[in-house]
Amino acid sequence: AQSVSQHNHHVILSEAASLELGCNYSYGGTVNLFWYVQYPGQHLQLLLKYFSGDPLVKGIKGFEAEFIKSKFSFNLRKPSVQWSDTAEYFCAVTRNDYKLSFGAGTTVTVRA
Amino acid sequence: EPEVTQTPSHQVTQMGQEVILRCVPISNHLYFYWYRQILGQKVEFLVSFYNNEISEKSEIFDDQFSVERPDGSNFTLKIRSTKLEDSAMYFCASSRDSSGANVLTFGAGSRLTVL
Repeated sequence: AQSVSQHNHHVILSEAASLELGCNYSYGGTVNLFWYVQYPGQHLQLLLKYFSGDPLVKGIKGFEAEFIKSKFSFNLRKPSVQWSDTAEYFCAVTRNDYKLSFGAGTTVTVRA
Repeated sequence: EPEVTQTPSHQVTQMGQEVILRCVPISNHLYFYWYRQILGQKVEFLVSFYNNEISEKSEIFDDQFSVERPDGSNFTLKIRSTKLEDSAMYFCASSRDSSGANVLTFGAGSRLTVL
């Protein structure tokens, strides 16, 4: 079965620090990749997605992610975080269907 | 921006009671889903629904669960006789089509606590 691994359960950092969240998936075929964010008390929101083309994708709020096929990875990055980036971040993968397989999530706490 | 809305945001119920979670998907979306997240665990697929019938369901979605689109706007998840292990955040989502290249829009979730 396809699985998604997120390496960090909880990341704590200061404002202006750089953020990188790891995501690896196990499925070897063609995949579609997503990062979702859930701010406290809010719904899951799409940060960015990769379907094909340029493996470096840019999303909302200054986030980007890089798809490295050889490493089965789709890591999320932001060069300088803000307090408002405090949230839980989920990597998700799907083949050409609608069943998203989610990672366990990474809680990011940004200290002012 | 169109949103998926869910009610209630939090429901507390006694074990064995029936619960109905409600969702209003985005109006021009045709595919509807329920996912759930038990505290500390991954978000898991429960069921997808299209054209007034279930198109796929997971192993989690047993006979205690049912979904319905009773009118043109609501999409409900019913749990007939709740168990302690049904305590979770339940997310409704909708999409325009069913391909993986289409993006699901999620609601804010309904937190169910079974005592």
